[in-house]
Amino acid sequence: AQSVTQPDIHITVSEGASLELRCNYSYGATPYLFWYVQSPGQGLQLLLKYFSGDTLVQGIKGFEAEFKRSQSSFNLRKPSVHWSDAAEYFCAVGASDSGGSNYKLTFGKGTLLTVNP
Amino acid sequence: EPEVTQTPSHQVTQMGQEVILRCVPISNHLYFYWYRQILGQKVEFLVSFYNNEISEKSEIFDDQFSVERPDGSNFTLKIRSTKLEDSAMYFCASKRGESSYNSPLHFGNGTRLTVT
Repeated sequence: AQSVTQPDIHITVSEGASLELRCNYSYGATPYLFWYVQSPGQGLQLLLKYFSGDTLVQGIKGFEAEFKRSQSSFNLRKPSVHWSDAAEYFCAVGASDSGGSNYKLTFGKGTLLTVNP
Repeated sequence: EPEVTQTPSHQVTQMGQEVILRCVPISNHLYFYWYRQILGQKVEFLVSFYNNEISEKSEIFDDQFSVERPDGSNFTLKIRSTKLEDSAMYFCASKRGESSYNSPLHFGNGTRLTVT
C-alpha cells in the first residue's frame, strides 16, 4: 500500500525567505503526486500535480516541486514566501487498484507553515 | 472557475442520529469522492463513486455509511447512526472522466460534523 511522509510538522520562516517542504512517498509503481494547501476554515486547494514527463512542475502562487524517483521525494519549494502563504500543506500520492483514470489519494499528515513578518 | 460546493459548512448532531452531508460536484466531472479528516489527523479516503456505483471504499466506510447521487447534480454521504468518533471534517471531491486521464481531484471546503 502507498504511504506519504511529511517529516516536518511545523515550519516557521520569515517573509521573503525561501521555503522547502519535504515529502517522501512509498509506492511500487510510478506515482501520481500532488501538493494541496489548506487555509484555516477552507478546503483543500490544489497547488500542483505530477503525473508524468518533466520532473520539475510549476504550480500556482509561485510554488514548484521536483519529483526525484531515486529519493522517492516530491519536495515543494518557493523562492520567496509571502505572509499569505501561511497555511497547512499536504502532500499526496495517487494510486489506483484497478488501473484506468480513477485513483484514490493517500495524504501525508501535513506541514503547518507559519510566516513571520 | 467551477467549484465543488458542500453544505452545510457545520453540522451538529446527537449520537445515534442520522446525518446527510451534501455536495454538488463540478458539473462535467464523473468521479466523486468522500474523504474525512479527524482533528489533528491525516485526510483519509472513504469512498469513490463512478457510473452510479461505488468503485472503491476504505475499511472506514462500513455499513453505517452510504453514498448516493439522487439526481444529476448532488452527491450525498449518509451516516445512519452517528458515533462520537464520526466527528470530523468531511470533504467531497470530484474529478473529470476517462477522456481526461491525468486530471486531479478538486475538493470542496468541507463539512465539519460534530457528534455530541
